[in-house]
Amino acid sequence: GAGVSQSPRYKVAKRGQDVALRCDPISGHVSLFWYQQALGQGPEFLTYFQNEAQLDKSGLPSDRFFAERPEGSVSTLKIQRTQQEDSAVYLCASSLRDTSYNEQFFGPGTRLTVL
Amino acid sequence: GNSVTQMEGPVTLSEEAFLTINCTYTATGYPSLFWYVQYPGEGLQLLLKATKADDKGSNKGFEATYRKETTSFHLEKGSVQVSDSAVYFCALNHAGNQFYFGTGTSLTVIP
Repeated sequence: GAGVSQSPRYKVAKRGQDVALRCDPISGHVSLFWYQQALGQGPEFLTYFQNEAQLDKSGLPSDRFFAERPEGSVSTLKIQRTQQEDSAVYLCASSLRDTSYNEQFFGPGTRLTVL
Repeated sequence: GNSVTQMEGPVTLSEEAFLTINCTYTATGYPSLFWYVQYPGEGLQLLLKATKADDKGSNKGFEATYRKETTSFHLEKGSVQVSDSAVYFCALNHAGNQFYFGTGTSLTVIP
């Protein structure tokens, strides 16, 4: 079956531009997560949805970052007025349920480069 | 709080060598523990997991045992292959709402 997909795979933005990153989770997965992975580091949590409800956004680094999942399926991570420090790979993951033993299925990521 | 400390790399081994990648964790309560692998150019894939103390996760010849007394989840493989070259991430999930990852260990296996 189809896995988690993300688009675009690569995005180059000039500093100050707004960007939108899309995630299509596995069909039927209740939970959706966004992570940021800097070069040579492990993924770091940004935010989490259960269906359409954003239950945790404690990892969002600033108010320039905004995520939504209006119909409980596709999610968009938006970054306003991008800065060079936003350059990273943004990973989306989905999980059937939000229990600790459920694995998260990861998409291939969007590599954002801010010039 | 929750955190994972993982052996730093890079690690280079000859084919058929024994592999150990150390992972220790700090968590409140009883987390589930995972190893994810990232092959070149690909996304993160689950390698194995263990959900309670003394559980052993295994897959593709890799094993890891959940040791509560030492708060560890070391990854081992008896005989590595070139195809095992990848970056390995140890992770924990405590309450189901996020994973905490280690920094990753890059493994290169040479023929």
